[in-house]
Amino acid sequence: QSVLTQPPSVSAAPGQKVTISCSGSSSNIGNNYVSWYQQLPGTAPKLLIYDNNERPSGIPDRFSGSKSGTSATLGITGLQTGDEADYYCGTWDSSLSAWVFGGGTKLTVL
Amino acid sequence: EVQLLESGGGLVQPGGSLRLSCAASGFISSRYGMSWVRQAPGKGLEWVSGIISGGRTYHADSVKGRFTISRDNSKNTLFLQMNSLRAEDTALYYCAKEVVSADYGYYFDCWGQGTLVTVSS
Repeated sequence: QSVLTQPPSVSAAPGQKVTISCSGSSSNIGNNYVSWYQQLPGTAPKLLIYDNNERPSGIPDRFSGSKSGTSATLGITGLQTGDEADYYCGTWDSSLSAWVFGGGTKLTVL
Repeated sequence: EVQLLESGGGLVQPGGSLRLSCAASGFISSRYGMSWVRQAPGKGLEWVSGIISGGRTYHADSVKGRFTISRDNSKNTLFLQMNSLRAEDTALYYCAKEVVSADYGYYFDCWGQGTLVTVSS
């Protein structure tokens, strides 16, 4: 059971938009920045979003992040088949003194 | 180019020990926090241990007392000493570089390709 809660899967058609939620508590998301990671099949995770809504260089603006209270959301617009991957949210948990991740969300582009 | 290369994984019997290494290149690892994150087969990411630039270490409850994270700054290398291994420790172990943003947010901006640890008799 992960500390952060994500839906196991989401799906949408090419060109459409999808959102992935990440729910936590005041000890993690509520008081710390959230980052998002994309893991393509058979590869290592890759940073997608940091500081709730900032994109590293090289990440297209089709990817966006937001945070409200103890929840965060990853948005992906203009879906492409190459976006099919597992997506994880992560943050520091001040009570546990540990990094925590969501259970991951598998994105299927139909 | 910033790179992380893990090594040291393998097959070990329950109760055994293993030492993982993560060689960093393209940056001075002692100036950053570094972590080990594992992924059991078909499962999600689980943070295992971390060490900050000042040397303080942190461990997940699931490995406290069994795993120890350390670094050799002269070799730009991160280590994870794993003792009393259990079947549930079987996973792909990634090392990751931690960055602090201008707003004091923490995130992992670089990951290695992982080294596989299998605990089985």
